[in-house]
Amino acid sequence: DTGVSQDPRHKITKRGQNVTFRCDPISEHNRLYWYRQTLGQGPEFLTYFQNEAQLEKSRLLSDRFSAERPKGSFSTLEIQRTEQGDSAMYLCASAGISYEQYFGPGTRLTVT
Amino acid sequence: EDQVTQSPEALRLQEGESSSLNCSYTVSGLRGLFWYRQDPGKGPEFLFTLYSAGEEKEKERLKATLTKKESFLHITAPKPEDSATYLCAVLDVAGANSKLTFGKGITLSVRP
Repeated sequence: DTGVSQDPRHKITKRGQNVTFRCDPISEHNRLYWYRQTLGQGPEFLTYFQNEAQLEKSRLLSDRFSAERPKGSFSTLEIQRTEQGDSAMYLCASAGISYEQYFGPGTRLTVT
Repeated sequence: EDQVTQSPEALRLQEGESSSLNCSYTVSGLRGLFWYRQDPGKGPEFLFTLYSAGEEKEKERLKATLTKKESFLHITAPKPEDSATYLCAVLDVAGANSKLTFGKGITLSVRP
């Protein structure tokens, strides 16, 4: 069990550019979550997959955000036309048969 | 809407000085309450899940308890390595297998 991994760990981009992050969950976990965390705040839910199906999206999620989980394995989160307000830590978590969610190390995005 | 409030925002302790962190919550129905530890620049690390009032869980110097309105994380004789941000989160019964709602966290500093 190697845990949840995320790539890249850090990303600096210019406003208006598109970025894509990858998450590899714990291998036997069928549920995958994306959260966003800003300084001094707890993680905020973005979206949730069960296997390859995206079952829930936050109402706060802009249309510039899209997530996929092809074949129910790894997941990608894409942000189009980035804005400075998108600067945050993007966290991925996975869960198996129990309710506990296990988090990856996160991708820190800085939009300049 | 689910709400989680953690207090105090920050806590500074002397090594060996025991204390408690508070998590108050409002949910339509509690599926589970979760405690995580987060070190700077890293993803949250799972500590405990509590499912029903009266339940207690222990791990080393940490003990988590749950009532119908709040949870406490008791830290006994803390050491400097216990310094971190402690996050509380709830899973609503209406959202089983779905999102966690987090509090803002409590930043604990333990001085040698």
